Amino acid sequence: GDSVTQMEGPVTLSEEAFLTINCTYTATGYPSLFWYVQYPGEGLQLLLKATKADDKGSNKGFEATYRKETTSFHLEKGSVQVSDSAVYFCALYISNFGNEKLTFGTGTRLTIIP
Amino acid sequence: DSGVTQTPKHLITATGQRVTLRCSPRSGDLSVYWYQQSLDQGLQFLIQYYNGEERAKGNILERFSAQQFPDLHSELNLSSLELGDSALYFCASSSLAGANNEQFFGPGTRLTVL
Repeated sequence: GDSVTQMEGPVTLSEEAFLTINCTYTATGYPSLFWYVQYPGEGLQLLLKATKADDKGSNKGFEATYRKETTSFHLEKGSVQVSDSAVYFCALYISNFGNEKLTFGTGTRLTIIP
Repeated sequence: DSGVTQTPKHLITATGQRVTLRCSPRSGDLSVYWYQQSLDQGLQFLIQYYNGEERAKGNILERFSAQQFPDLHSELNLSSLELGDSALYFCASSSLAGANNEQFFGPGTRLTVL
C-alpha cells in the first residue's frame, strides 16, 4: 500500500542553522505530496505542496522538491528560527476511486534553540 | 485560527462508555475529515463526509461512526471505548471533495479512556 517514511526525530538545531527533514514515499501511482506543520497545542496546517515530478513547493522560507527518481520530498530551510519549532508531517495523496485520502508520515519534531 | 471548531477540548471517560465529538467546519466548506492521532499509530485518517454523504473511509473501527448534518457540522461517535482509543481526534475541513485540497484542521479533542 501507499506509505510515507520520515526521518526519525526529534531534531534539535540552533537558530539560523540549515534544516533538512527527509521524506520518502511508496505509491502505486503518481501522488501529490504535502508538508503539514503542527505547532504546539494546535491542529495541522498546510505548509507546502507539489503535485507532479520536479515541482517545487515553497512557503515561509521552506522548500521541498518532488523527486520521482528517488521517490522523495525532503523539506529544507536555509536558516531556521525559534518560531519554526513544531512537528512536521509529510503526506501523500493518490486519487484512486474509493480510496482517496491523505496518508501521513509519523511526524518529525523539530526544536530550535536560541 | 483555522476556522474549524471542535468540542469538547478534553474528554475523560471510562472503558465501555460512549462519547460524541463535535466538529464545525469553516464557513462554506463542504468536506469534513476525521483523524486519530496517537503515539503508537501516528496520524490516521478515519472517515470523510462531503455535503452530508460519506465519501471515503479509512482505518475506522466498527465501534466508531460519524455523520454530517444538513448544517454541515459533523459528529464522531465512539462506543464501547477501550484504553487504546485514548488519542487526539482531529477534524479538518476543505471546500472541495478531493482530499488533495488544502485541509484546515481544528485544534482537536483529547480523549482519555481510563
